[in-house]
Amino acid sequence: AQSVTQLDSQVPVFEEAPVELRCNYSSSVSVYLFWYVQYPNQGLQLLLKYLSGSTLVESINGFEAEFNKSQTSFHLRKPSVHISDTAEYFCAVRVGGSQGNLIFGKGTKLSVKP
Amino acid sequence: DGGITQSPKYLFRKEGQNVTLSCEQNLNHDAMYWYRQDPGQGLRLIYYSQIVNDFQKGDIAEGYSVSREKKESFPLTVTSAQKNPTAFYLCASSISGPSNYGYTFGSGTRLTVV
Repeated sequence: AQSVTQLDSQVPVFEEAPVELRCNYSSSVSVYLFWYVQYPNQGLQLLLKYLSGSTLVESINGFEAEFNKSQTSFHLRKPSVHISDTAEYFCAVRVGGSQGNLIFGKGTKLSVKP
Repeated sequence: DGGITQSPKYLFRKEGQNVTLSCEQNLNHDAMYWYRQDPGQGLRLIYYSQIVNDFQKGDIAEGYSVSREKKESFPLTVTSAQKNPTAFYLCASSISGPSNYGYTFGSGTRLTVV
């Protein structure tokens, strides 16, 4: 069965510092990979996704994630965070071309401090 | 604009009562999902439906029931059999089948047992 591991439950960081939120998945076949962001008392919003092609994908607000097949990872990075990036981030995976549902990690709370 | 609407945003229930959470989408998506979110536990799948008049249990279906009489609607009933119903409930929808590239989420309903 597929699984998604987000290695850090909480990540505190100072404003303008770089950040990396780690995500590893277990699958030996092709996968679709997603990062979602959740602000307090709101639903999840899609941040970025990897379906195929370039292994580096970017979002409109400066986040990027790199698909690493050999390490089965899809870590999320931002070179300089803002207070407004404070939120919970969820990694999700789905086996490519299947009828299966998304499998979510348990989330990482990013706390950006001034 | 297309989207998913969950109502109400906050809901209070007395012990022993059933309560129904509403989820409506106008995205023309075939598949719909209900998740429960508790602090530190990520998203847990309650029920999902790939097509009208059909639905399947997720990982934590006990104490919950659903119906899918219309494509646009997927209400969730939290019954008195659910021993710990206080949580944040999220509804999502997606295209069904292999072209499912991710979910669209509603803004959630926070249920509190009083």
